[in-house]
Amino acid sequence: GAVVSQHPSWVICKSGTSVKIECRSLDFQATTMFWYRQFPKQSLMLMATSNEGSKATYEQGVEKDKFLINHASLTLSTLTVTSAHPEDSSFYICSAADLTQYFGPGTRLLVL
Amino acid sequence: AQSVTQLDSHVSVSEGTPVLLRCNYSSSYSPSLFWYVQHPNKGLQLLLKYTSAATLVKGINGFEAEFKKSETSFHLTKPSAHMSDAAEYFCVVSVLSGNTPLVFGKGTRLSVIA
Repeated sequence: GAVVSQHPSWVICKSGTSVKIECRSLDFQATTMFWYRQFPKQSLMLMATSNEGSKATYEQGVEKDKFLINHASLTLSTLTVTSAHPEDSSFYICSAADLTQYFGPGTRLLVL
Repeated sequence: AQSVTQLDSHVSVSEGTPVLLRCNYSSSYSPSLFWYVQHPNKGLQLLLKYTSAATLVKGINGFEAEFKKSETSFHLTKPSAHMSDAAEYFCVVSVLSGNTPLVFGKGTRLSVIA
């Protein structure tokens, strides 16, 4: 099956700093990528839909100025958490889609 | 709108006994349905998917699920649980495959007792 990677897998940062998470489709081109967030012991919640070459579509309640999404190519989407705070600590998972969605392994963010 | 309801937040079975994880869905259109598994601190792994072909879908690791339109259900089963099956399982619905967001159920935690 298709492979989606995320980098980094783990990140710890200080409050107020920005963190960039990369999502790459390694062996296929993805016109659409999705970003999800998962709190401990909870399900995945869709944050935004990222389309190559256009602005991301954010779900209700997700701050687009805080969670910046860039989908610059058919194999790369990035999520930047700006001015991170402890409440942004979470597990962030991306998926890339051609006819099926393939999930990345996730990035665990801890904001101190 | 689409939604899924996983009827049990936690299921506990003994090793070697059958597994049943229940899922009901709601969709205005013919849905695509998926089961994903997530082991602790890991990403998601696709177990199986239904996309309007055969109603009985076989997946990896001995899991299977049956799509029952009349009951709007897509329950996940396995004849004999293994210790390595202990994980979180998510039932997921999508209107179309591919470029539409997936809607996740709240998850069912499966514990397997030796």
